[in-house]
Amino acid sequence: KAGVTQTPRYLIKTRGQQVTLSCSPISGHRSVSWYQQTPGQGLQFLFEYFSETQRNKGNFPGRFSGRQFSNSRSEMNVSTLELGDSALYLCASSPSTGGLTNEKLFFGSGTQLSVL
Amino acid sequence: GDSVTQMEGPVTLSEEAFLTINCTYTATGYPSLFWYVQYPGEGLQLLLKATKADDKGSNKGFEATYRKETTSFHLEKGSVQVSDSAVYFCALRDWAAGNKLTFGGGTRVLVKP
Repeated sequence: KAGVTQTPRYLIKTRGQQVTLSCSPISGHRSVSWYQQTPGQGLQFLFEYFSETQRNKGNFPGRFSGRQFSNSRSEMNVSTLELGDSALYLCASSPSTGGLTNEKLFFGSGTQLSVL
Repeated sequence: GDSVTQMEGPVTLSEEAFLTINCTYTATGYPSLFWYVQYPGEGLQLLLKATKADDKGSNKGFEATYRKETTSFHLEKGSVQVSDSAVYFCALRDWAAGNKLTFGGGTRVLVKP
């Protein structure tokens, strides 16, 4: 079974631009979550999607948005990029058969975004 | 809100040494607890988990026990190898707080031959 796939692996953008990151979950997984990882703030939750609906959202500005498609693939979009948005963006999927707290998340290798 | 605090690194050890990484948490509800590991250039992998008090999670020689009375979930390994060099994250998942994963700051471990 293929793992969680994130594209692109690396991305360089300039301030003010927008960017779209893609995540393909493990086949059969219905929940996709996004996390931002930075040296200063560590790992922070962005949002979670389940069956094309946003189920949970972290404390990020509205410039950060996402969506999930009927095949469970997900995209996240960041508009009007700022220097502080430079980070590793990680996507994770899970079966989410019942929203269990002990359910394992499977992470992708991430997209490294650099904003210049 | 929920939070996880773990010891800062880096932790530098010699091969076959004993490893302990401290982790404490605060949670609104009754969380599940996890240790994830991140190898260079990769995403996170689940190392072990525990879902209720006194549960012991174990994997690849690593162990951690869910201690509700001390709100702790310390990671231990009796004899580390060079291949254990990585960043280790303690995390919790709390239904009362939206069921998202809340991570600690991570502890970098470097094992020297």
